[in-house]
Amino acid sequence: DAGVIQSPRHEVTEMGQEVTLRCKPISGHDYLFWYRQTMMRGLELLIYFNNNVPIDDSGMPEDRFSAKMPNASFSTLKIQPSEPRDSAVYFCASSRQGGSVGTQYFGPGTRLLVL
Amino acid sequence: GENVEQHPSTLSVQEGDSAVIKCTYSDSASNYFPWYKQELGKRPQLIIDIRSNVGEKKDQRIAVTLNKTAKHFSLHITETQPEDSAVYFCAAIVTTSYGKLTFGQGTILTVHP
Repeated sequence: DAGVIQSPRHEVTEMGQEVTLRCKPISGHDYLFWYRQTMMRGLELLIYFNNNVPIDDSGMPEDRFSAKMPNASFSTLKIQPSEPRDSAVYFCASSRQGGSVGTQYFGPGTRLLVL
Repeated sequence: GENVEQHPSTLSVQEGDSAVIKCTYSDSASNYFPWYKQELGKRPQLIIDIRSNVGEKKDQRIAVTLNKTAKHFSLHITETQPEDSAVYFCAAIVTTSYGKLTFGQGTILTVHP
């Protein structure tokens, strides 16, 4: 099992540019979560999907953020236009129903720096 | 919705001492409580979990206790080692509903050699 895969691992961009973060969940997992982590705000849930359907996007900070899950093995988080305050580590996590429901497995994260 | 409070925010101990981190939750329907450890620059990783039908669970030097009546649960680390230094997060979830974990604010544990 390869675990949750995220790309890129690091991203440096300039203010105003579009940023796309990618995630491949663990095969067979039907929940996918996007988190943002900063020193000031800790670990924040941005949005999560169940069976590719967005369930709760109340954590998405503003319209500049959007997320999609076109199929069970791929999700994107897009920021357009990016701003310096978006600098953070973005984690994707996945989990499944059944015996281990609730156990979330995190990807390695994407460290985003917006200049 | 669920609210999870975690204390203390920082904890400093000497190697070999015990460390205890406490969390309280608000939703009495929560039935699964995982603990995550996050080392500097790494991802959060599950270290132990407990379900609401169990009062205590141990895994080597780590144990978790749950008091459903008081709605609090705790992480206990015995014989701490420098490699235990990390940020620890508690979380709670109602597994019968859509699987959204609510995390505590985190505890920075420092173990001094």
